[in-house]
Amino acid sequence: DAKTTQPPSMDCAEGRAANLPCNHSTISGNEYVYWYRQIHSQGPQYIIHGLKNNETNEMASLIITEDRKSSTLILPHATLRDTAVYYCIVSYNQGGKLIFGQGTELSVKP
Amino acid sequence: GAVVSQHPSWVICKSGTSVKIECRSLDFQATTMFWYRQFPKQSLMLMATSNEGSKATYEQGVEKDKFLINHASLTLSTLTVTSAHPEDSSFYICSAGGYTVYNEQFFGPGTRLTVL
Repeated sequence: DAKTTQPPSMDCAEGRAANLPCNHSTISGNEYVYWYRQIHSQGPQYIIHGLKNNETNEMASLIITEDRKSSTLILPHATLRDTAVYYCIVSYNQGGKLIFGQGTELSVKP
Repeated sequence: GAVVSQHPSWVICKSGTSVKIECRSLDFQATTMFWYRQFPKQSLMLMATSNEGSKATYEQGVEKDKFLINHASLTLSTLTVTSAHPEDSSFYICSAGGYTVYNEQFFGPGTRLTVL
């Protein structure tokens, strides 16, 4: 079973920041938080991952709470092309399996 | 970033036939490859984990004799759906890990299988 809880859907206005929350209260000390997204009928796309520090790359920022029980993925300026299902997954670093939950369906609207 | 390809992108076959799907990591050597399937409006379900040169590890409930996985090299894994039936119709997706030390997985574009 997935170890994360995400809202099933969210809307965001184009150009605004999209903040996608994820709860992972049972995360263990050496498990990472990974974020992927899946655009309709395509394979998932890796976005970002982190252990305990906040992370930023060209796609997004990941904010992990100090107790590591939750995190937020931030898309700073959402575009229509960011419409997708976003998955938050906790997994071990080396050889860890990814168990997908239901994710959050993000709809970016004009 | 890392590129993973799948072939074919879609296939239609008759019930009772076997279908092979290839997954290739194009620009890196994948230490581990994973196979998933996804039914309409559902999430991805992990089927098996494949390491080069060793037998695949199947998830509970996945029939290893029906879904044959071969990982002959660090860049190629194949999934063969044997004696396919209509209920095997699904979107099959592979992923590969090992591009970086953090082992994030990179996914192929998926293969749509329709069994008539």
